[in-house]
Amino acid sequence: QSALTQPASVSGSPGQSITISCTGTSSDVGSYNLVSWYQQHPGKAPKLMICEVNKRPSGVSIRFSGSKSGNAASLTISGLQAEDEADYYCCSYAGGRWVFGTGTKVTVL
Amino acid sequence: EVQLVESGGGSGQPGGSLRLSCAASGSNFNIYGMTWVRQAPGKGLEWVSYISGGSSTIYHADSVKGRFSISRDNAKNSVYLQMDSLRAEDTAVYYCVRLDNGGSYYFDSWGQGTLVTVSS
Repeated sequence: QSALTQPASVSGSPGQSITISCTGTSSDVGSYNLVSWYQQHPGKAPKLMICEVNKRPSGVSIRFSGSKSGNAASLTISGLQAEDEADYYCCSYAGGRWVFGTGTKVTVL
Repeated sequence: EVQLVESGGGSGQPGGSLRLSCAASGSNFNIYGMTWVRQAPGKGLEWVSYISGGSSTIYHADSVKGRFSISRDNAKNSVYLQMDSLRAEDTAVYYCVRLDNGGSYYFDSWGQGTLVTVSS
């Protein structure tokens, strides 16, 4: 049960857009449109940012968007802000289990 | 908004047992699937266990299968994680997490977590 693969770090300047990739397999990401994304600030619990590939829960900024193609999903943050600096995790349902990504640290330069 | 409060964390010895509890506020607790997700110090998130609203469906990650068991008491708005045969690699913050309703597959509410440390 390997974790989904994410880049260890991504950085950008305020106002820029960044994209975090999440690569899985045909058993998880590729089989289900059930990818979600979570934001975690240091010492805090994770927060749901995107569900079901591209749906934003109520209260989440429209600057966050998700997509999927084949076995890979991605999270895009547009108009990067200082408050977006955090760790981000993707997650996919995989038939009787869930698998998280390795996590990406987003740094706002 | 639901509040999830974990308890029962602490220190345990290798081979020992601990029982985590999670109390949920709000109504209709019985319609929500519940899970436990853990995070080892400085590491990423790992899904541990899932239980459906009526307890008819239970899943465990391979890493804890046969050692951990999840249960719930809907009358008490609570979910539990019985952790037996503890190993050093079980050391982590354990989060109680609620899935959105209607048979969804994402985690919409998280507790603040309880730290479990397994050491001799």
